[in-house]
Amino acid sequence: NAGVTQTPKFQVLKTGQSMTLQCAQDMNHNSMYWYRQDPGMGLRLIYYSASEGTTDKGEVPNGYNVSRLNKREFSLRLESAAPSQTSVYFCASSETWGTGSNTEAFFGQGTRLTVV
Amino acid sequence: AQSVAQPEDQVNVAEGNPLTVKCTYSVSGNPYLFWYVQYPNRGLQFLLKYITGDNLVKGSYGFEAEFNKSQTSFHLKKPSALVSDSALYFCAVRVYGFQKLVFGTGTRLLVSP
Repeated sequence: NAGVTQTPKFQVLKTGQSMTLQCAQDMNHNSMYWYRQDPGMGLRLIYYSASEGTTDKGEVPNGYNVSRLNKREFSLRLESAAPSQTSVYFCASSETWGTGSNTEAFFGQGTRLTVV
Repeated sequence: AQSVAQPEDQVNVAEGNPLTVKCTYSVSGNPYLFWYVQYPNRGLQFLLKYITGDNLVKGSYGFEAEFNKSQTSFHLKKPSALVSDSALYFCAVRVYGFQKLVFGTGTRLLVSP
């Protein structure tokens, strides 16, 4: 099992460019998440998807859009990249059902994004 | 709203000594609490979780955590630290019935030989 796979691993963008970060999980999990990690800020939730067909904003959604393409895939799009979006992005998934929110999340290896 | 606080940016401990990494939470509802570890240039790895029942939870690599409802805390502990425990540790909380998972700012643990 690959678990949670993120692509690309590294990316450099110019200000104003757009790109999509891809995430796929092979564990048949219902819930998926996108976080960004910045020094001193910890992990901040950008968007999450509790189940296929639903998405919700997290703590820092501005400047981002997401698509839950199917149960396996959850992509994060930057429409017009800004230097403030320079960060390490992590995708995660967990098995959740109804009120069964006690399961741990599994993380990808991260995407290091630099916006110049 | 749900939130997690990790009051210490860094914890220093000598190898062989006990370690504690602190975490407090704020939720409306019953919490599910998690600890994760991150090694350099890696994703997060799950260590342990509190769901219900015993307040002392045991996890991977000899770590344990104590849930204290009255103090809204979930501190991570280990009786005898190893140099290899040096890493970044994150506490996280989810509320019963909801899928949103929120993390703290992380605590860097440095274990010296």
